[in-house]
Amino acid sequence: GDSVTQMEGPVTLSEEAFLTINCTYTATGYPSLFWYVQYPGEGLQLLLKATKADDKGSNKGFEATYRKETTSFHLEKGSVQVSDSAVYFCALSDGNKLVFGAGTILRVKS
Amino acid sequence: DTAVSQTPKYLVTQMGNDKSIKCEQNLGHDTMYWYKQDSKKFLKIMFSYNNKELIINETVPNRFSPKSPDKAHLNLHINSLELGDSAVYFCASSQERGRTEAFFGQGTRLTVV
Repeated sequence: GDSVTQMEGPVTLSEEAFLTINCTYTATGYPSLFWYVQYPGEGLQLLLKATKADDKGSNKGFEATYRKETTSFHLEKGSVQVSDSAVYFCALSDGNKLVFGAGTILRVKS
Repeated sequence: DTAVSQTPKYLVTQMGNDKSIKCEQNLGHDTMYWYKQDSKKFLKIMFSYNNKELIINETVPNRFSPKSPDKAHLNLHINSLELGDSAVYFCASSQERGRTEAFFGQGTRLTVV
């Protein structure tokens, strides 16, 4: 079945550092791809999405580009803030549901 | 206005009890889901309903029974609770089945003691 693999955490960065969280997927067909964020004690919020190859999703300074040739959807941010500390999930749609990666904990220190 | 709301937010109960979690969405979506998040934050689909019809039932013990009285509501009833059922349960909804983003509720943290 379809699956998503994302880098293990936790990732610990200093404020204003550059962030990359790697995400690769295995899927039949061409799924839509998503990044969700979960702040402590809260539900999942959609951060950004891309629906076809070469699409770039962006929101709140975060970006990710749908790369069909490398089956990847890496999340990047140029300058992280303490408030970005959360768990980040990469996900794909398989036509019936979302399939999630294991999540990556991000900790940003001031 | 909360788009996807679930109650209760916290649920502590003894082994063997029966409990329910309620979920409502006001987005007009046709599809609703239940996901389970374990202690390592891993998220796994449990059930999906589309227009009150069960679409997905992912190897979940039959102690878990979803009920969708209408397309805006999807409740989860759990019989004979076990320690291993302790987790966070998320309700979600989406406009199109599996193709578009899903909107999640705040989660229900179930602790079985």
